Amino acid sequence: SQQGEEDPQALSIQEGENATMNCSYKTSINNLQWYRQNSGRGLVHLILIRSNEREKHSGRLRVTLDTSKKSSSLLITASRAADTASYFCATVNAGNMLTFGGGTRLMVKP
Amino acid sequence: DSGVTQTPKHLITATGQRVTLRCSPRSGDLSVYWYQQSLDQGLQFLIQYYNGEERAKGNILERFSAQQFPDLHSELNLSSLELGDSALYFCASSAGQGNTGELFFGEGSRLTVL
Repeated sequence: SQQGEEDPQALSIQEGENATMNCSYKTSINNLQWYRQNSGRGLVHLILIRSNEREKHSGRLRVTLDTSKKSSSLLITASRAADTASYFCATVNAGNMLTFGGGTRLMVKP
Repeated sequence: DSGVTQTPKHLITATGQRVTLRCSPRSGDLSVYWYQQSLDQGLQFLIQYYNGEERAKGNILERFSAQQFPDLHSELNLSSLELGDSALYFCASSAGQGNTGELFFGEGSRLTVL
């Protein structure tokens, strides 16, 4: 079963535009993480936000967390063709397992 | 490069066979995790080992087993293979025993069952 669900499932934008992906989850969390996966490759950790944080930045990435709504968003600003990938949110549940959502497939057109 | 090494990268086998996937974690990491990624099931957590001991169990079939050796490398054994076992199998590692921090993923082993 998947704890987090990303929305949208797919997103296509032009280079230079911003991309926003959302993640909703079901149970209380310790932290929420975002990962990126280039096609057929391993996942790469992007950013971690703890349950007592509301916003975090890393370069062109901005993550927000709303624990009252059990949701998070990942914003990529000034997107580049190289940002084309799948993006996953992941949460740690009571069983101490890091559970991934279904992912958002982002395509950035040059 | 995450520092996590998985072999083999690709594997093609027949139904009913058995295969072993191998993972070497990042230097110093004590936890190893196995995930299965397929088109219909997404990324599914299978099992975690910490310093040789099973730490958490997810959606791992009884036909699958894993272990972590004293040198901290891990193996995932898949037996009585079925067509539906075709997937990408990822290994990840982390320093601690909990899932409170970043996981470092290998490039995966792509298994095709014919």
